[in-house]
Amino acid sequence: QKEVEQDPGPLSVPEGAIVSLNCTYSNSAFQYFMWYRQYSRKGPELLMYTYSSGNKEDGRFTAQVDKSSKYISLFIRDSQPSDSATYLCAMLTTSGTYKYIFGTGTRLKVLA
Amino acid sequence: DSGVTQTPKHLITATGQRVTLRCSPRSGDLSVYWYQQSLDQGLQFLIQYYNGEERAKGNILERFSAQQFPDLHSELNLSSLELGDSALYFCASSVAVPGGPHEQFFGPGTRLTVL
Repeated sequence: QKEVEQDPGPLSVPEGAIVSLNCTYSNSAFQYFMWYRQYSRKGPELLMYTYSSGNKEDGRFTAQVDKSSKYISLFIRDSQPSDSATYLCAMLTTSGTYKYIFGTGTRLKVLA
Repeated sequence: DSGVTQTPKHLITATGQRVTLRCSPRSGDLSVYWYQQSLDQGLQFLIQYYNGEERAKGNILERFSAQQFPDLHSELNLSSLELGDSALYFCASSVAVPGGPHEQFFGPGTRLTVL
């Protein structure tokens, strides 16, 4: 079993829709939870970063972490065609072994 | 622009050959990570160096090796290349100190094609 699981998609939504992207994980030692966005043929770039459980909002983006369920989500409100990209979750633990793991990414297409 | 540079941008070579990919981290970042990204495998962590020392190892083949030099640039060496090694190779850097920040900054990648 992979430590981080992410549905690869693709996920196609109409412009303006609310998008929900999710990852599950198995290692309870993960403390930091990140979402990266990767446009085609580019390197990933950090979108949001959360420590431990809870919600974090940044403009149209909301990240949620539920450590009890080992489940994290990224919500995109009022999705735009420019949001079309691959979204990768990533998780980090610094206690004991330093481990930074990426999900395989979910490909999102927002249709105009 | 993330501040991480990678050379070359593209590399085309033949099976059995050896290549070296180079990465310069952002100024001040001590940690360098190497990733392989292919269509069917997603972003696969290969190896991490912190201030010249190997810190973590992922799914790196024995034919692959890396090092980080005193000036903090890093090289990834791929030898006895096979068709399946064709992929995008990303380098990322971060501060990687306890307490964060833990953002990784990715370079533009090197696209390797093995014929």
